[in-house]
Amino acid sequence: ETGVTQTPRHLVMGMTNKKSLKCEQHLGHNAMYWYKQSAKKPLELMFVYNFKEQTENNSVPSRFSPECPNSSHLFLHLHTLQPEDSALYLCASSPPGLLEQYFGPGTRLTVT
Amino acid sequence: AQSVTQLDSHVSVSEGTPVLLRCNYSSSYSPSLFWYVQHPNKGLQLLLKYTSAATLVKGINGFEAEFKKSETSFHLTKPSAHMSDAAEYFCVVTLVSRTGGTSYGKLTFGQGTILTVHP
Repeated sequence: ETGVTQTPRHLVMGMTNKKSLKCEQHLGHNAMYWYKQSAKKPLELMFVYNFKEQTENNSVPSRFSPECPNSSHLFLHLHTLQPEDSALYLCASSPPGLLEQYFGPGTRLTVT
Repeated sequence: AQSVTQLDSHVSVSEGTPVLLRCNYSSSYSPSLFWYVQHPNKGLQLLLKYTSAATLVKGINGFEAEFKKSETSFHLTKPSAHMSDAAEYFCVVTLVSRTGGTSYGKLTFGQGTILTVHP
């Protein structure tokens, strides 16, 4: 276990639903990340937050909305998703001054 | 710009034989490089990291990797495979980003290599 937790672990939602993914770490890390892992594609960085401020948005569609209320919590709000958004969504965090990231177990999302 | 190429999408070995997972990188700067492992239905775990110190890096579970600048390679090896090594392995190159006086890494992942270990 890395100390990064994600809930829920599995989520099935219809295209008209609204849901949220949650990520939490109490490791004292300053940076938090959302990644998308699809079959047969490299991990894609979606968003980066550094000390609660968004520093990266990797051209992610607006149906994905991140929120970082403090350095320990990160959310990904989902609405009107498409079937191609089905994937494993991974959260990660990194400590100040270090480059390596510590990953949570992921949320397996299925959009029907 | 930076990129990573993992040269094999699948590698199959017998238990007790050596493991070699190949990775080439491209980076405009002196890179920091990582190997991560992902077991089924699990998140990614850091195996080892290279950050411009010793070129031969030792990681967890008996894995090691050698940074070769002249070949732009960072291959992962293990002398003797174990059944528990069966997983997907990712080579990663990192770009340092700095905001507000602090730094963090922007990771670029390879496509992954699935390692199968036969009894």
